Amino acid sequence: EIVLTQSPATLSVSPGERATLSCRASQSVSSYLGWYQLKPGQAPRLLIYDASNRASGIPARFSGSGSGTDFTLTISSLEPEDFAVYYCQQRSKWPLTFGGGTKVEIK
Amino acid sequence: QVQLVESGGGVVQPGGSLRLSCVGSGLTFSTDGMHWVRQAPGKGLDWVAFIRYGTNNQYYADSVRGRFTISRDNSRNTLYLQMNSLRAEDTAMYYCANNVYDFPTNWGQGTLVTVSS
Repeated sequence: EIVLTQSPATLSVSPGERATLSCRASQSVSSYLGWYQLKPGQAPRLLIYDASNRASGIPARFSGSGSGTDFTLTISSLEPEDFAVYYCQQRSKWPLTFGGGTKVEIK
Repeated sequence: QVQLVESGGGVVQPGGSLRLSCVGSGLTFSTDGMHWVRQAPGKGLDWVAFIRYGTNNQYYADSVRGRFTISRDNSRNTLYLQMNSLRAEDTAMYYCANNVYDFPTNWGQGTLVTVSS
């Protein structure tokens, strides 16, 4: 199965700053990568699909890039509601797999 | 507005069985593929299973293949997950999600499964 490795495990950022999260795949997933946000007590929210497309209703401060094995989620200017855990997920091959997550915390 | 509501979770002994349900509204249930995804306490997201619309082809994580079965009843807008031979490591919050953009997109609030003696 395809293993997704996210880094860093924890990212400490001040509100208003830029956050850059990484996801690396053990083999090429083309552009078939998504990003999710998860907050305690809430359902996960799809942010980005197919590497760089924002899902419906997702603010423009969230952007995704990359292809092949290396991907990035960028939050251009962190809002208080953006402090959460973020996961990447590939749909290139079955079984679908998620990365281990990056926690974005307030600095 | 899409709404997915899971039910059927609870406490079950190792080796036992449980059937989860997920009722959808505000979506064209019969034409959406559907996923089950879980999150163990203190752990990350873990994809479990997927069922296509139309063909009803099913896909499973290696850890559940042969023990779990995903199915759907389009007349009831309901997705199921039959879980047999449950293990302690199956303890998790279980979410259903529909498959817009070919990714799990709209998620329910989850139902908690605890496998313990």
